[in-house]
Amino acid sequence: QVQLVQSGAEVKKPGSSVKVSCKASGGTFSTYAVTWVRQAPGQGLEWVGRIIPFLGVAKYAQKFQGRVTITADKSTTTAYIELSSLRSEDTAIYFCARDADIAASAFDIWGQGTRVTVSS
Amino acid sequence: DIQMTQSPSAMSASVGDRVTITCRASQGISNFLAWFQQRPGQVPKRLIYAASSLQSGVPSRFSGSGSGTEFTLTISSLQPEDFATYYCLQHNSFPRTFGQGTKVEIK
Repeated sequence: QVQLVQSGAEVKKPGSSVKVSCKASGGTFSTYAVTWVRQAPGQGLEWVGRIIPFLGVAKYAQKFQGRVTITADKSTTTAYIELSSLRSEDTAIYFCARDADIAASAFDIWGQGTRVTVSS
Repeated sequence: DIQMTQSPSAMSASVGDRVTITCRASQGISNFLAWFQQRPGQVPKRLIYAASSLQSGVPSRFSGSGSGTEFTLTISSLQPEDFATYYCLQHNSFPRTFGQGTKVEIK
């Protein structure tokens, strides 16, 4: 069974960048997509983007275009999200999750979440 | 972008009540709709996928229905552990979009 384990909490200054990792174990990493979702304090869930590790192709929500980069390293079965030009509104918990074209495997497995705090 | 309009945004209910939450998509999404439960401080948990398929291990009091643009999550008899926030998600197209959430509180 696939498990997703994320890196630890981060505290960043406004204008800086953050990179969060999501390591997959126990399954075939490259055959699925890894999606990133964030949740600001007290708010709902927001899709940020996703990558298909096998292809290395990423898609992003328009809101984050130009500021976000999602990558994957097949050799370490790890996906990454990097967000630049951080502002206070980026303070959130960032989750990775499995995504797939097959509904049964879409958003069924989630990482534990990584808290990113942007503060001067 | 497909907008997912979820209603109600919050509700109060008692243990044993039947609860219905609705999600409306701004355009047809076939059955690419999932429902999630999120308790405070926890990771979202998928309850329903493909609009009406029950996730393994999820109690049978949870059910989903709908196709196209109208979807429903029903809890047949609310239990104490069901007090949480519920979200729908469409994954028919990009960007993936969530409903704004429904917080189910104790009456």
